[in-house]
Amino acid sequence: QPVLTQTPSASASLGASVTLTCTLSSGYSHYKVDWYQQRPGEGPRFVMRVGAGGIVGSRGDGIPDRFSVLGSGLNRYLTIKNIQEEDESDYHCGADHGGETNFVYVFGGGTTLTVL
Amino acid sequence: EVQLVQSGAEVKKPGESLRISCKGSGYNFSNYWISWVRQMPGKGLEWMGRTAPNDSPPNYSPSLQGHVTMSADKSITTAYLEWSSLKASDSGIYYCASTVEGGDYWGQGTLVTVSS
Repeated sequence: QPVLTQTPSASASLGASVTLTCTLSSGYSHYKVDWYQQRPGEGPRFVMRVGAGGIVGSRGDGIPDRFSVLGSGLNRYLTIKNIQEEDESDYHCGADHGGETNFVYVFGGGTTLTVL
Repeated sequence: EVQLVQSGAEVKKPGESLRISCKGSGYNFSNYWISWVRQMPGKGLEWMGRTAPNDSPPNYSPSLQGHVTMSADKSITTAYLEWSSLKASDSGIYYCASTVEGGDYWGQGTLVTVSS
């Protein structure tokens, strides 16, 4: 099964842009990754799914178009433009693996985004 | 409107049993898997496994197999996560989640505290 690696923390100034990275382990460059946002004290919220070719499907409910994704090689990126205070959150990536009988889902360690 | 509503917070002692629930509404409960996700205090997300409201057997994370039991009762559109003997390390927030018609839905979380 894949291992997903995320940088533990990131920061960006209000109004700036930031790109968060989720890196798949070797051999899994064809995998799709889900991005989730988790604001302090809240549960996770689906942001978008991204594959090697970019977004798969549509944004999660209420996710503004300031959020975008890109895929390249083993990396799956989440970019947030014109950062707002409400974007300060933990961002998790996850991916599914296997079929119906041996299905597993793995998460990365998460990135805490601080808005300066 | 699709909703997943979880049971309330629990405080238990080590060795006790516990069952928490996740009630689905607003969709055909029998058609979709429900996953359980754990979040330890201050930590990231961990997928525990998933249960199908039809007759398919659950899928468990290899690291948790044997310690928890997942089930569902489609007659009351409710999924369950159960422990027969809790450990202090089981303390955390537990979320149920499901992908329904391309949308990703999460319960509000159940806080479980295991302490002597």
